Amino acid sequence: DIQMTQSPSSLSASVGDRVTITCRASQNINNWLAWYQQKPGKAPKLLIYKASSLQSGVQSRFSGSGSGTDFTLTISYLQPDDAATYYCQQYNSWFFTFGPGTKVDIK
Amino acid sequence: EVQLVESGGGLVQPGGSLSLSCVGSGFTFSRYWMSWVRQAPGKGLEWVGNIKEDGSSKNYVDSVKGRFAISRDNAENTLYLEMNSLRADDTAVYYCAREDSESGNWGADHWGPGTQVAVSS
Repeated sequence: DIQMTQSPSSLSASVGDRVTITCRASQNINNWLAWYQQKPGKAPKLLIYKASSLQSGVQSRFSGSGSGTDFTLTISYLQPDDAATYYCQQYNSWFFTFGPGTKVDIK
Repeated sequence: EVQLVESGGGLVQPGGSLSLSCVGSGFTFSRYWMSWVRQAPGKGLEWVGNIKEDGSSKNYVDSVKGRFAISRDNAENTLYLEMNSLRADDTAVYYCAREDSESGNWGADHWGPGTQVAVSS
């Protein structure tokens, strides 16, 4: 099975900062990676699909990059509403594994 | 508007069974793969399993294989999760999600609000 890791597990940043979250797959997943944002008590929200494509309706300050085993989610200008936990998920195999999550706090 | 609504959660004793449902509306249900995802209290997301558009292919995380079964009724726009031999570590909020399979993009682009399952004596 494909394992996913994320770093850091949590971070604290200021409004306006550029934030980068890393996701690594245990084997090549090509570009079959999605990123989600989840706020407490709410269902996850799809931000990025196919590693770098922005989901319709998602703010352009979110971007994704990477291919193969290493991927990043970047929030270019952090806003208070971005406080949440972010998860990556692979789709290369039919067993869709999530990463453990990265919690983003606003200073 | 695409909507997914889960139901059937509740409190069940260890070793017991529970059946969850998820009704979809606002889209052609039969054209999409569907997934179940769960989240234990204070923990991250765990993919539970998925089912192909026509129900001919299903996949499960190892921890539920042989205990959980996913099915669907496309005539009723409904996804099911039959859970047997429940354990305390199955306690979680269970979400159903639509996979954007029709476009080929994938990613779970719509989610239900979730239903709570608690396994305890």
